[in-house]
Amino acid sequence: AQSVAQPEDQVNVAEGNPLTVKCTYSVSGNPYLFWYVQYPNRGLQFLLKYITGDNLVKGSYGFEAEFNKSQTSFHLKKPSALVSDSALYFCAVRDPGSSNTGKLIFGQGTTLQVKP
Amino acid sequence: EPEVTQTPSHQVTQMGQEVILRCVPISNHLYFYWYRQILGQKVEFLVSFYNNEISEKSEIFDDQFSVERPDGSNFTLKIRSTKLEDSAMYFCASKSWGTTDGYTFGSGTRLTVV
Repeated sequence: AQSVAQPEDQVNVAEGNPLTVKCTYSVSGNPYLFWYVQYPNRGLQFLLKYITGDNLVKGSYGFEAEFNKSQTSFHLKKPSALVSDSALYFCAVRDPGSSNTGKLIFGQGTTLQVKP
Repeated sequence: EPEVTQTPSHQVTQMGQEVILRCVPISNHLYFYWYRQILGQKVEFLVSFYNNEISEKSEIFDDQFSVERPDGSNFTLKIRSTKLEDSAMYFCASKSWGTTDGYTFGSGTRLTVV
């Protein structure tokens, strides 16, 4: 069965330091991978996606993610964290078996805490 | 930038009552979805809707749930007889035709069943 795992419930990082939020996936076909961010009492905001092509994907707010097929990972990264990056981050994969109407399968979420 | 709009932002209802959660997807999108997030848990797929019919639904989406696109712009989720465990944040999402397009989510409706 398709699944997404975010192994860390929370990531703490000091402002200005690089951050990584981890995500691994398990799908039967070629994955379409997404990162979303959720600020308190807000909806899910799209950050970036990997469909095909370059393994390093750049997205909103200076975030990027690297697709690694051999490790089945899609870790979210940012070179220099801001306090305002503190939020809940979700990794998601589109279920290849759902064809074009494909549902997203979400990881359990990782809370990023950036301290000044 | 186009948005998915959900109303109300917060609804409190008594157990056993019917609720309707409303969504206005992006106008040229063709695929519509409902997800829910119980407090502190992951976002879970409920149902997808395309061409005026359900294309896929999860085990959560039982006979108490229904969806409708009554007028070509709104997309609603109805829960016929709410239970305490239906308390969650419900997200609507929409997507355009392309297989590689992203999904746009609304800001959610927080449903509290008392």
